[in-house]
Formats: sequence, structure tokens, C-alpha cells
Amino acid sequence: SQQGEEDPQALSIQEGENATMNCSYKTSINNLQWYRQNSGRGLVHLILIRSNEREKHSGRLRVTLDTSKKSSSLLITASRAADTASYFCATAGTGGFKTIFGAGTRLFVKA
Amino acid sequence: GAVVSQHPSWVICKSGTSVKIECRSLDFQATTMFWYRQFPKQSLMLMATSNEGSKATYEQGVEKDKFLINHASLTLSTLTVTSAHPEDSSFYICSADPEIGGAFFGQGTRLTVV
Repeated sequence: SQQGEEDPQALSIQEGENATMNCSYKTSINNLQWYRQNSGRGLVHLILIRSNEREKHSGRLRVTLDTSKKSSSLLITASRAADTASYFCATAGTGGFKTIFGAGTRLFVKA
Repeated sequence: GAVVSQHPSWVICKSGTSVKIECRSLDFQATTMFWYRQFPKQSLMLMATSNEGSKATYEQGVEKDKFLINHASLTLSTLTVTSAHPEDSSFYICSADPEIGGAFFGQGTRLTVV
């Protein structure tokens, strides 16, 4: 079964607003990654946060990781219509290299 | 940054034929690569772990005789969908890790079986 679970499943916001997506997982991890996927296209790696890190920034993206709660959040600030996509979290467990994906959050940013 | 190239990006084949999809790591060596399958509007499902020089490890429910994986070198893994049927139509994506857990993905292959 899938490791990560994103929340919400779908999110619709106005351009300029912030978008927050959450991810929960079940077992110990080496790291957690966030990916973006435009409809029918491949994955784009956004950011990787390691288990000993609590927060990372990349441009308009901010990712937090709480290993005690086994959860992560992705914040996109000042959203743009071009941010419309599906966002997935994925975890790499301590027992191996394989990356397990959550179901994803579909973000729709209205212009 | 690390690049993973997947080929072809799309393929249409007749039912009963076999299709080979290649996954190459272009600027790093990958002893392990992963193959995923994605159905429309759904997440990626890990199919198998491809191990260089040894047999692939398949996830539960994935038919190893249907989806043949060969990891012949440190930069190339291939997935062959044998005797393809319309239900095999899907988006297939490979990934490779230049380091533990830092997966980089190919652009995906859209397979349509008619």
C-alpha cells in the first residue's frame, strides 16, 4: 500500500493566495520528497528534505518535516495559475531505497 | 543535476505484441532503478526494483512474466511489456537514485495498446 497520504486531495485557490498541502506517512524514513506533475506529463522533483531537517526553502516553496508526527507540509506562496498541477509527496524508507508515493493533491489556481 | 532519460516517450502497439522501454541514467551510475506505473488521475504505483547484475524485485501483484526487467549495466534498465493487452495501457515511469532516496525520474512513457 502507499506510504504517503496527501491532504487535501484537491485544492482550489485564487492567484496570489498561498497553498498548503500536507502529507502523512507511516514508517521511519530517510527523507521525504515533493514532486509536481502537470496533467499527463512526467514528474518534476521540487524539493527533498532529510529526516534530520525540519524546514527547507526553495524559491516560493517551503517544506516542513515533523518526524515525531510523521508528517510534512508543502507551502506555495503567492501562487500563480502556472502552479496548477498535482503535487505528490514521496518517502524513502530507512530499510531501502525505493520511493513510495502518496495519492497526491490536485491544486487549481484560478487567475 | 542528475538526469534520467526514458525512451520512448510514447508508443502505440497492437495487442499481443511486446514493447520495450529504456531508462538511462545519463551522468551517474545507478545500481538500482525503479519502475512505476500510473493510471489516469492516480498516483504512481511502484512495480519493481531493478538491480544491476541480478534479478528484479517485484511488488506484490505485479506479474514478473508480463513485465520483464533487465538491468544490464550501471546506466541502463529496460522494462519489456510482453504480450501487451489494452489493460496494460498506462503511463510508465522509471527513476534512479544517485544517492540514497534522492530519486530522479524519467519523463515517462505513455503506452497505448490497441
